[in-house]
Amino acid sequence: KNEVEQSPQNLTAQEGEFITINCSYSVGISALHWLQQHPGGGIVSLFMLSSGKKKHGRLIATINIQEKHSSLHITASHPRDSAVYICADSNYGGSQGNLIFGKGTKLSVKP
Amino acid sequence: GAGVSQSPRYKVAKRGQDVALRCDPISGHVSLFWYQQALGQGPEFLTYFQNEAQLDKSGLPSDRFFAERPEGSVSTLKIQRTQQEDSAVYLCASSLWGEETQYFGPGTRLLVL
Repeated sequence: KNEVEQSPQNLTAQEGEFITINCSYSVGISALHWLQQHPGGGIVSLFMLSSGKKKHGRLIATINIQEKHSSLHITASHPRDSAVYICADSNYGGSQGNLIFGKGTKLSVKP
Repeated sequence: GAGVSQSPRYKVAKRGQDVALRCDPISGHVSLFWYQQALGQGPEFLTYFQNEAQLDKSGLPSDRFFAERPEGSVSTLKIQRTQQEDSAVYLCASSLWGEETQYFGPGTRLLVL
C-alpha cells in the first residue's frame, strides 16, 4: 500500500526563520506534489517534481528518489506563510494519477 | 478563466437525508477527481472521471456514495442516507489530459447532524 508520511505534524516558527517540512513515501511514483491549504479549504499546488530541486520565490522543494524522500523549505518565513502544507504522490503510470496525500503539516509563523 | 467551482460551499444535513454536491471543473479539463477530507486529515481519493467515464470509484466508502458526470463537464457527488461519519470537506479537482497538476475547488463542507 502506498503511504505518504509527513513531519512534523505541527510547526511554529518566528518570522524570518528557515523552515523545513519533510515527506516520505513508500512506493515508486511519477511525481511528488507539494500543496498549500489555507483555512477555509482552498488548496493550491506549489510544486510538482520527479527529480532534483525546484525553487519559486522563497519556497524550495527537493526530492531524493532513491531514498523516497522530499523536503519543502521556506526561507525568511513570514506570517502569511501560515497554512497547512501537504505533500502528495501520484503514480501517473496507473490509470488516472489520483493523488495520495499525507496528513499535512500545520505551519504557524509568528511575527 | 474561472477556476474550479463547487456548490454549495456549506451544507448541513440531518442524518438520513440525501445530499448532492456539485463541481464545475475548469473548461476543457478532461480529468475530474473527488476527494474527501476529514477534519485534521489529508484528503483521500474517492473517484475519478475521464470525460463522462467513471474510470475509478475504488475510494467511495460505501454504496451510499454515487458520482456522475453525464456530459463530461459538471459532476455531482451524491450521498444517500447521510451518516455522521460522512461529515467532511468534499474537494473536487480537475486537470488537463496528460497533465499531473490538479486544480482544486474550494470544497463543500458537509456537516451531518
